[in-house]
Amino acid sequence: KAGVTQTPRYLIKTRGQQVTLSCSPISGHRSVSWYQQTPGQGLQFLFEYFSETQRNKGNFPGRFSGRQFSNSRSEMNVSTLELGDSALYLCASSLAPSGGEETQYFGPGTRLLVL
Amino acid sequence: AQKVTQAQTEISVVEKEDVTLDCVYETRDTTYYLFWYKQPPSGELVFLIRRNSFDEQNEISGRYSWNFQKSTSSFNFTITASQVVDSAVYFCALSDYTGTASKLTFGTGTRLQVTL
Repeated sequence: KAGVTQTPRYLIKTRGQQVTLSCSPISGHRSVSWYQQTPGQGLQFLFEYFSETQRNKGNFPGRFSGRQFSNSRSEMNVSTLELGDSALYLCASSLAPSGGEETQYFGPGTRLLVL
Repeated sequence: AQKVTQAQTEISVVEKEDVTLDCVYETRDTTYYLFWYKQPPSGELVFLIRRNSFDEQNEISGRYSWNFQKSTSSFNFTITASQVVDSAVYFCALSDYTGTASKLTFGTGTRLQVTL
């Protein structure tokens, strides 16, 4: 069974631009979560989607948004990019959002560099 | 609020040495789950183990073992006879039981360097 896939793997943008990252979960998994990883803040939860609905949201500004499609694929969008948005963005999928009863499996991440 | 502390920022060992990575957590929930993930240089987080708060049995998987002690809120990870391929950053994570949402709170990670 294929793992979580994320595209693109690397991205370079300039301040003020917007970016869209994509995540395809493991087949059969319906919950998708997004995390941001930076050297300064570590791994931080962004949001979680299940059945095309956002179920949980981390403490990030409204510039960070996401959505989930009927096939469980998810996209996250960052508008008006700032230098501090440079990070590794990790997507994780699980069978359902069950607070830990289901293991989250992570993709390889998208490394975003904002210049 | 939940919190995970990995006090060891970086550990260096020589191959075949045993090494223990510490993890201390804080939560007010009575039901919760603990995880360990490995992050090699490629960046992907690789799942290693999940343990719920009601299962305090230690677990061994090959060279890996985990010691869960609720009394000290610790979930430590030991690698026996370390190998160069074990070099990575290891994260401990905590998930509370909400039943309707999944959110992992991660520690800051421990970078393990295994040399020949």
